[in-house]
Parts: sequence; C-alpha cells; structure tokens
Amino acid sequence: SYVLTQPPSVSVAPGQTARITCGGTGIGSKSVHWYQQKPGQAPVLVVYDDRDRPSGIPERFSGSNFGNTATLTISRVEAGDEADYYCQVWDSSSDHPNYVFGTGTKVTVL
Amino acid sequence: QVQLVQSGAEVKKPGASVRVSCKASGYTFTGYSVHWVRQAPGQGLEWMGWINPHSGGPNYAQKFQGRVTMTRDTSINTAYMELSRVRSDDTAVYYCARGGVIGQLGSFDLWGRGTLVTVSS
Repeated sequence: SYVLTQPPSVSVAPGQTARITCGGTGIGSKSVHWYQQKPGQAPVLVVYDDRDRPSGIPERFSGSNFGNTATLTISRVEAGDEADYYCQVWDSSSDHPNYVFGTGTKVTVL
Repeated sequence: QVQLVQSGAEVKKPGASVRVSCKASGYTFTGYSVHWVRQAPGQGLEWMGWINPHSGGPNYAQKFQGRVTMTRDTSINTAYMELSRVRSDDTAVYYCARGGVIGQLGSFDLWGRGTLVTVSS
C-alpha cells in the first residue's frame, strides 16, 4: 500500500517559516491535500490540489509538490498555527484504490 | 449554513455493531461524495471509505471490507456508517466529511465534529 511519510514534529519561532514535508514515491504525479487539526477539533482543509487555498485560509499557507516530496509552507507563523498537519492523496496504484493520509506532523510555535 | 452534524457518542461491547449518522445541510446532498475517516486516541487519520449519495453506491477501504456498511437516506440528507463486530481497537473518533463533486476525486472540504465510539467490556 502507498505510504506517506511526514516528520513527527516541527518547531518554529513566531514570525518565521515552517515547512512540513510529505514523502511518497512519485507523489509529484498525484494531487496532494493538506489538513490542519487542532486538539479536540475536526480537521480543516488548508491546501488542496498541491497549492490551492480554500476561501478563508490565509495566504501564509502555501503548497508545492515535485518528485517524491510535497511541502506545506507556513509563512510568518503565528501562535494560532500550532496544530497537527496531515497530507493526503488518492492512490490508484493498487488493486484497491483508496485515500491515504500522511503520518502527521505536530507544529509547535516556540 | 453548510454543515455536517453527526450523532452522539456511543459505548459498545466487543462484538456489537455501531451506527453513526451524518446529516448534511446547506448544500445539495446528492451532489457530493461523503467520506468516513476515523482517528484512534493519539493517532493519525484513517480513511474508511465513501458513499455516493446520488446512487447509494459505496466504496470501502480494503481494511474494513466485510465489517463496514455505508448507506444514505436522501429524504433526510443523512449518511450512515455502520461498523460490525467491533473490537477494542475500533475505539476512535469517527468523522464524516464532504468530498468532491460526484464523479470527481477531491479533497475533504467540510467535516463533521466527530463521534466518539468507545468499545469496552
């Protein structure tokens, strides 16, 4: 089955840039979506189709996807960005196509 | 208001079945897929499958084949997920989420608040 690997944690000071990677074989050929989840809350979509933002999501959130790595970048990090972040793709490479989530990254704002 | 409202928390004994509901409002229920995702305590997100509310056709993740049933009632804009023969490791928060327009793959842009299912003897 298709595996998406994320770093368990990323720490960043306020005002700096956080980069969260999502590694998967040939992920550059897939559409990647990113979700933010704060404690006790449901996930929220922050980036879809590699780099597009839903309405209401700040421009500080951006995405890229190339080769074997997709990246979510959070610029000018704020305390409110502290959360878990998950990447997601649709994997049609096996006999049982399915959605796959990454392992998740906890972003800590120092 | 565009939202998904889920049913309340459940406590089940091992071997029982549990059904979670997800009522959609504020958009055309039959126009978008509905997905189910679960999250065990302290763990990540796990996709369980989806249903096409227009046709009623489900698509289950291989892991849950034979144990999960996803249905819908278009008269009340509600999707259901039933998990049978539950075990302790099925203890999790179960979310429903709106997927892409029917016929298209897409992201999950609207989520319910989740339903905690606890399996304990």
